Amino acid sequence: LAKTTQPISMDSYEGQEVNITCSHNNIATNDYITWYQQFPSQGPRFIIQGYKTKVKNEVASLFIPADRKSSTLSLPRVSLSDTAVYYCLVGASFGNEKLTFGTGTRLTIIP
Amino acid sequence: GAGVSQTPSNKVTEKGKYVELRCDPISGHTALYWYRQSLGQGPEFLIYFQGTGAADDSGLPNDRFFAVRPEGSVSTLKIQRTERGDSAMYLCASSSQEGTEAFFGQGTRLTVV
Repeated sequence: LAKTTQPISMDSYEGQEVNITCSHNNIATNDYITWYQQFPSQGPRFIIQGYKTKVKNEVASLFIPADRKSSTLSLPRVSLSDTAVYYCLVGASFGNEKLTFGTGTRLTIIP
Repeated sequence: GAGVSQTPSNKVTEKGKYVELRCDPISGHTALYWYRQSLGQGPEFLIYFQGTGAADDSGLPNDRFFAVRPEGSVSTLKIQRTERGDSAMYLCASSSQEGTEAFFGQGTRLTVV
C-alpha cells in the first residue's frame, strides 16, 4: 500500500483558502486518492476522492498533478467549523480492500 | 438504519475481563471494517469483512482479538482478557462493493481500568 506524508498541523484564519498537500511517491496505477475529515469523538467522514487532474464538490477541491505523486486538498473560505483532522488515503476504494490512515493533518481555524 | 450504529458508545471494563463491541452497518453494505484509534493517532486497521468472511484480518494485534459477522450484516468485535493498552476508540465502517467511500460510526470508547 502506498505510504502518505502530510504536515502534522496547520493554522489558518477564517475566510482564507486552505491547501493541504499529501505526498504519495509510490502510488500504484489503480490507486485512488481519498480525503477524510475527522472531528473529535467522531468517526472520519468522506470529503472527496480523485484519480487524476482536478475534482470538485460542494465542500472541497482536489488537485492531482500528472505524475500523481502528490495531491492537494483545497478548502475554500474556511470557518471555525472546519477545525478538524484531515487524512489523505491512497489505495483502491473502500469496498475492495482495506485502506490505511496516517496521522493526518490537524487544521486549526483561528477567528 | 440511516447510518452505521455502534454500541455501546462507552464501555469501562476491568483488566482481564471479556468485552464485545457491536456494529450495525448500513443496510445492504457488503464490506465492513473495524479500526482502532488512540488519542492523537490516525485510525489503525484491524479487520475487514466482505459478506460473512474476513477478507483481511492482518491488523488484529493478537489472538485476544476476534471478530465475527455471521449473517453478513451485524458484526461483533470480541476482546478477551482485556489489558489497559486496549483502551482506545474502536471504529466501525461499512461500504458497498461499488462505493467509493466508507461510512463510519461514532465509535465505542473502551476504557480498561
